[in-house]
Amino acid sequence: NAGVMQNPRHLVRRRGQEARLRCSPMKGHSHVYWYRQLPEEGLKFMVYLQKENIIDESGMPKERFSAEFPKEGPSILRIQQVVRGDSAAYFCASSPQGTASNQPQHFGDGTRLSIL
Amino acid sequence: DQQVKQNSPSLSVQEGRISILNCDYTNSMFDYFLWYKKYPAEGPTFLISISSIKDKNEDGRFTVFLNKSAKHLSLHIVPSQPGDSAVYFCAAKPGNENYGQNFVFGPGTRLSVLP
Repeated sequence: NAGVMQNPRHLVRRRGQEARLRCSPMKGHSHVYWYRQLPEEGLKFMVYLQKENIIDESGMPKERFSAEFPKEGPSILRIQQVVRGDSAAYFCASSPQGTASNQPQHFGDGTRLSIL
Repeated sequence: DQQVKQNSPSLSVQEGRISILNCDYTNSMFDYFLWYKKYPAEGPTFLISISSIKDKNEDGRFTVFLNKSAKHLSLHIVPSQPGDSAVYFCAAKPGNENYGQNFVFGPGTRLSVLP
């Protein structure tokens, strides 16, 4: 019974390159959430997606960041033209129902993005 | 503007004793609260939740208390074990989507249980 799967676990990019982070939710979960954690800080909400739809992207930076959750395949968080400040741990979570229901979200082990 | 605060960055407790982790929030529209535990290089693991209609929820060694008037919740772990050493995050969510629909996390408290 696989949990939330994120890959890669570690990703190194040079400034200006693109970073693609992938997340496969738990089986039976159709709601996906992306969070970012900077060192010594808590998790900051970025975006909430359901299959083929972005429900809430209020936490996403306005430029360079995008997310999708296609009908088939994992959710992708894409960061274009990365800068040093993008270095962080990016966590994906999923839930069987949306945020209107009081349910916990289940997290993957994250992708640690390092920008050289 | 930190809506969820965990004012103790770290806490050390002797094995077998009680660990009390505190969390304060400022948004009176929050009505569902979670605690997560996180080990290094892993994702947060859900521990226990509480909704605003209750003031206490218990699951084994873990009990969460909610004081709505004080906008304060706490996680009690008793007895504490060395394996409980981790970072603990408090998270809160409004009950009405008009006030937001996503979880807001605190900065975490690092618990060390000493053998």
